[in-house]
Amino acid sequence: DQQVKQNSPSLSVQEGRISILNCDYTNSMFDYFLWYKKYPAEGPTFLISISSIKDKNEDGRFTVFLNKSAKHLSLHIVPSQPGDSAVYFCAATNSGGSNYKLTFGKGTLLTVNP
Amino acid sequence: DAGVIQSPRHEVTEMGQEVTLRCKPISGHDYLFWYRQTMMRGLELLIYFNNNVPIDDSGMPEDRFSAKMPNASFSTLKIQPSEPRDSAVYFCASSFGTFFSDEQFFGPGTRLTVL
Repeated sequence: DQQVKQNSPSLSVQEGRISILNCDYTNSMFDYFLWYKKYPAEGPTFLISISSIKDKNEDGRFTVFLNKSAKHLSLHIVPSQPGDSAVYFCAATNSGGSNYKLTFGKGTLLTVNP
Repeated sequence: DAGVIQSPRHEVTEMGQEVTLRCKPISGHDYLFWYRQTMMRGLELLIYFNNNVPIDDSGMPEDRFSAKMPNASFSTLKIQPSEPRDSAVYFCASSFGTFFSDEQFFGPGTRLTVL
């Protein structure tokens, strides 16, 4: 039933190393994907997005890769910093649809150890 | 701008009581969204408004839930009567755009506990 799946509830990495967060989707109508970051006691904040016409989008230390044939996307953080420790949500939408709504995954808790 | 404002931040109530959550979106934003976050289901969209009009309420779990947006600067989410399974964090978010915009701004959330 979950159209956006983040199969790893948690991930722990060392400071300075790469963090890779994964996301899978099942709805072939999804054509726009977003990552949000959430700190405790705060609302999610937008991090980075990618359209299905691209396979990569980069913003500083954050890069999102999209593999449409596999219905898979990943967020790479390089180098990881302790301040990156947060819950990361993957979200997807059909930008051409009449409904403007985001479908979120359950999130992955990233812990970056100093 | 102060961002999206939600009140209260925490609410503890007893089963059967009415609960009202409040949201003030960012000024100028024409879309407003209500989400619920639980461990089991993650972040779910309950309802969203465009220019104060409800567009999609398919995520509202039951008739016990209702949402209103009487004007561009205020929205409420009401649960009546509340049940323990309604315990969750409820987020309000807003965005701007007559077409798809890639960023929704979230409030800090209201943590609801129904005993």
